[in-house]
Amino acid sequence: GQQVMQIPQYQHVQEGEDFTTYCNSSTTLSNIQWYKQRPGGHPVFLIQLVKSGEVKKQKRLTFQFGEAKKNSSLHITATQTTDVGTYFCAGYNAGNMLTFGGGTRLMVKP
Amino acid sequence: EAQVTQNPRYLITVTGKKLTVTCSQNMNHEYMSWYRQDPGLGLRQIYYSMNVEVTDKGDVPEGYKVSRKEKRNFPLILESPSPNQTSLYFCASSLGGTGLAGAWNTQYFGPGTRLTVL
Repeated sequence: GQQVMQIPQYQHVQEGEDFTTYCNSSTTLSNIQWYKQRPGGHPVFLIQLVKSGEVKKQKRLTFQFGEAKKNSSLHITATQTTDVGTYFCAGYNAGNMLTFGGGTRLMVKP
Repeated sequence: EAQVTQNPRYLITVTGKKLTVTCSQNMNHEYMSWYRQDPGLGLRQIYYSMNVEVTDKGDVPEGYKVSRKEKRNFPLILESPSPNQTSLYFCASSLGGTGLAGAWNTQYFGPGTRLTVL
């Protein structure tokens, strides 16, 4: 079945440093979504990418969808303590099942 | 307020004692699903439902049952819980559930149910 891998699993950064998490799928995705889960909370939708090579920005967050629609990345510029949490990518293949990556847990030292 | 609710939020039970976790959404969403979250494994889909009376298996359906008799409710049933079902469970809903473009497949998650099976 479809597999979605995320790296790294954990990342410690100093406040102000940049952060990137990578997502790779074993199959071509029709679209990819990114979610953020704060400690003790539930996943919250951040963004969806649909087109091959698409790049979207939300303030300090930059999301990319690979040309082959099998990989994606989330980059945070100048991290803040409010960025702490676990970031998940999730993708649909041709069907109706959404597969999540294992998540990247971001910790920010003030 | 648009939301997904789950009950109970916390549950400690014993092996073999049937339990139901309820899930309800007030957004008139077609698609509902259940996930379990375990450390290092991310969110794994248990079952999903495209509409009333339509349910399908996700990645890890063994040991679980679901039903979708009404659009707003999607209960998760554990007929005979075992310790390996100890986990954090999330219910989610979206307008639609296919891989087509558009915000209609954005997942809205409930607050989670932490289940411990002794």
